[in-house]
Amino acid sequence: NAGVMQNPRHLVRRRGQEARLRCSPMKGHSHVYWYRQLPEEGLKFMVYLQKENIIDESGMPKERFSAEFPKEGPSILRIQQVVRGDSAAYFCASSPAPAGLSGNEQFFGPGTRLTVL
Amino acid sequence: DAKTTQPPSMDCAEGRAANLPCNHSTISGNEYVYWYRQIHSQGPQYIIHGLKNNETNEMASLIITEDRKSSTLILPHATLRDTAVYYCIVRINTNAGKSTFGDGTTLTVKP
Repeated sequence: NAGVMQNPRHLVRRRGQEARLRCSPMKGHSHVYWYRQLPEEGLKFMVYLQKENIIDESGMPKERFSAEFPKEGPSILRIQQVVRGDSAAYFCASSPAPAGLSGNEQFFGPGTRLTVL
Repeated sequence: DAKTTQPPSMDCAEGRAANLPCNHSTISGNEYVYWYRQIHSQGPQYIIHGLKNNETNEMASLIITEDRKSSTLILPHATLRDTAVYYCIVRINTNAGKSTFGDGTTLTVKP
């Protein structure tokens, strides 16, 4: 059973460009979470999605960031007009049911490292 | 979710038990204690979780005090590959999905 897959693993963008980060959850998982980790810092929750629905976006910056998890295909985290401060590792996690419920763990992907020049 | 406090760093000799403490004095009755670790540059890895009873799996043991205000993660025979940042998280048992990661403890296993 393949784990959570993220691509690309490394992404370089110039200021003002768009970044698209993809996350394919584990088979059978319909809940996806995105976290951001700035250099030398801990992980910060961004958004929680279930197929076609955003459940909790309390950690998403108000502008330039959006996320989707369509019925078919991977979840996408989109960052428009990137700035240097967006440089970070972005991790995706998935679970078969809401991770708040005991026994439903979040399985993390390897991350996408975004560098904004 | 309740706040957790962990020491910023710890060392452990290879082959010895590593005991990582976590304080969660404001934990409420329906919040679970979870432990994850993050080996350098990799995604976090789930280790173990518990509510009030001690738990053990193939990776580690979790000891939760009777008042649930603190817990200890035990790696019984630490290896060099256990060097990582260990995160203690408390999470309410609801449909809320997010985990709130603190700064964690950097465990360095030394030969």
